[in-house]
Amino acid sequence: DVKVTQSSRYLVKRTGEKVFLECVQDMDHENMFWYRQDPGLGLRLIYFSYDVKMKEKGDIPEGYSVSREKKERFSLILESASTNQTSMYLCASRGAGPAYEQYFGPGTRLTVT
Amino acid sequence: GDSVTQMEGPVTLSEEAFLTINCTYTATGYPSLFWYVQYPGEGLQLLLKATKADDKGSNKGFEATYRKETTSFHLEKGSVQVSDSAVYFCALIEKTSYDKVIFGPGTSLSVIP
Repeated sequence: DVKVTQSSRYLVKRTGEKVFLECVQDMDHENMFWYRQDPGLGLRLIYFSYDVKMKEKGDIPEGYSVSREKKERFSLILESASTNQTSMYLCASRGAGPAYEQYFGPGTRLTVT
Repeated sequence: GDSVTQMEGPVTLSEEAFLTINCTYTATGYPSLFWYVQYPGEGLQLLLKATKADDKGSNKGFEATYRKETTSFHLEKGSVQVSDSAVYFCALIEKTSYDKVIFGPGTSLSVIP
C-alpha cells in the first residue's frame, strides 16, 4: 500500500514563527503536492514538485516556500506564520502520467495564534 | 483554463436512498477523471477513476461513467449508507507536462438513518 505520511496531525504556532511541515512518501513517486483546505474554498494548490530540487508555484504560493532535497520528502515552509495561514494542510504524491491517482496524507491541522 | 464543476451541497439523504452527485468539466484535451472521498478528520482517498471516454469506474457500490459528449462524470450509488457520509471531490488530470490535478469544490453528503 502507498503511504504518505505527514509529520504532525495537529500543530499550534505563534505569529511570526517559522514553521516546517514535512511529508514523506514511500512509493518512489515523481510528483508531490501541497494543498491547503479551508471551509467553503475547497482544495487550493500551494506548490508542487515533479522532481528532486524542482518546484512549481500553485494557485496560492504567497507566504510559503518548499524544499525537495530527496525524492521521497517534500517540505512546506511558512517563513513567518500569520493567523490567516491557520488551515488544514494536505500533502499528496502520485506517479508520472495522467492515469495515476494522487495519494494523500492524513493532513496537518495548523493553528497560528 | 481547465475546470471542474460539481454540486456543492450539502446533500442530505436517508439511508438506502439513491445518490447522484453531478460533475462536469472543461478541458482542452482528453483528461483522466477521478472521484475522491474525504471522511471526517482524514485526508482524501481515491474512490474511482476513468481514463478514457465511455469508461465506467466503480468501487464500494459507487459508479461513474466518463461521458465525453456531455463532458460529465456523475457519481451514483443505488443505496447509500450512514457510513457514506463524507465529502466527495471530482477531479481531472489534463495530459500536460506536469499533470496538474484540478479539483472540484467538493460535495458534502450526510446520510441519516
